[in-house]
Amino acid sequence: QVQLVESGGGVVQPGMSLTLSCATSGFTFNEYAIHWVRQAPGKGLEWVTVISYDGSEKYYADSVKGRFTISRDNLKKTVSLQMNSLRPDDTALYYCARVVRTFGYDGLDIWGQGTLVTVSS
Amino acid sequence: QSALTQPRSLSGSPGQSVTISCTGTSSDVGNYNFVSWYQQIPGKVPKLILYDVIKRPSGVPDRFSGSKSGNTASLTISGLQAEDEADYYCCSYVGKNTFNWMFGGGTKLTVL
Repeated sequence: QVQLVESGGGVVQPGMSLTLSCATSGFTFNEYAIHWVRQAPGKGLEWVTVISYDGSEKYYADSVKGRFTISRDNLKKTVSLQMNSLRPDDTALYYCARVVRTFGYDGLDIWGQGTLVTVSS
Repeated sequence: QSALTQPRSLSGSPGQSVTISCTGTSSDVGNYNFVSWYQQIPGKVPKLILYDVIKRPSGVPDRFSGSKSGNTASLTISGLQAEDEADYYCCSYVGKNTFNWMFGGGTKLTVL
């Protein structure tokens, strides 16, 4: 079945780096854009970044621009999120999510279970 | 950019209809039909219930419907059921020199 599984979360100190991974299966990976969305404890959803189906387009929320980098490997069917200069307000559950239709960007129909990132000294 | 504006909470009785609003600006909701809605039961993963303002993914009951007028999108749940109690989030594409998405602050729906 269609599945996304995040990994790589953990506890890091402010200023440190972390790389999250989103492993996918069950669909034609190179036809779908993938988003990352985060949710701080007890808070709402916040859009983080998106990468196009072929990796040629990448867009970021202002809150992470210049610190986070999204990439994808269409052979391994994975998406990575490199997070640098982490701050306490980056603490959240990070979800990767697939868009609902091929070659589109809107509507996140398949979500992973999330991976928790805690930034604390 | 501020989050899209949603009521913090709403309630309704079983069988009733409720409408959750999502107010943005002419740079997002008002200018694009890329509005989606998500249902999140506490402790669970968000679930897509509408996209492109009015489209329902397969498996979502037709009790859930969407609309848009000006800068405000709306989610209407008809025939409210106990299982509809959840947090609901809208999300819109934000264009105009950017290529971002933005979520609303979320609405906690209580079924009385």
